[in-house]
Amino acid sequence: AQSVSQHNHHVILSEAASLELGCNYSYGGTVNLFWYVQYPGQHLQLLLKYFSGDPLVKGIKGFEAEFIKSKFSFNLRKPSVQWSDTAEYFCAVNAAGRRALTFGSGTRLQVQP
Amino acid sequence: EAGVAQSPRYKIIEKRQSVAFWCNPISGHATLYWYQQILGQGPKLLIQFQNNGVVDDSQLPKDRFSAERLKGVDSTLKIQPAKLEDSAVYLCASQDISGANVLTFGAGSRLTVL
Repeated sequence: AQSVSQHNHHVILSEAASLELGCNYSYGGTVNLFWYVQYPGQHLQLLLKYFSGDPLVKGIKGFEAEFIKSKFSFNLRKPSVQWSDTAEYFCAVNAAGRRALTFGSGTRLQVQP
Repeated sequence: EAGVAQSPRYKIIEKRQSVAFWCNPISGHATLYWYQQILGQGPKLLIQFQNNGVVDDSQLPKDRFSAERLKGVDSTLKIQPAKLEDSAVYLCASQDISGANVLTFGAGSRLTVL
């Protein structure tokens, strides 16, 4: 069965700091990879996704993620965070041919002004 | 387009009582999911429907949970009887069959079992 690990449970940064959130998955076959974000009081929203092609994908609000197949990783990055990035971030994966997503446990990001 | 609608947003019940949650997916989305999100954890799949058929219910605690999507549109998730550990947010998501594999989530129904 596929699984997703997010090792950073709670991250606190100051505005303008750089962000990198780790995500590793366990599945030997072809996968699709996603980052979802949940802002306080709001529902889960898609931040970015990777299906194939360029392993560096860009999403909304200046976020990007890099798929490194050899490391089974899909880390999320942002060069300079803003207070409005305070949210919970979830990495998710589905195996090719399986449409349901498996989520990691999430990383709570707190950006201090 | 309208999003995924869920109700009620909040529900408080005592253990051993029953509760039902309703979901109306995005129009035309053939695939519907129910996820359970316990505080501090990521969403966990409970059941997946394709139109009105069940695709995957392997993680649904069938002794107390049931779900249906009779007409292939809206869906109901029921818990009977509820246990303390069922306290969670129940998320509904829908997906276009052509899907780019992107799930669109509703706001969720927060259940507290006392």
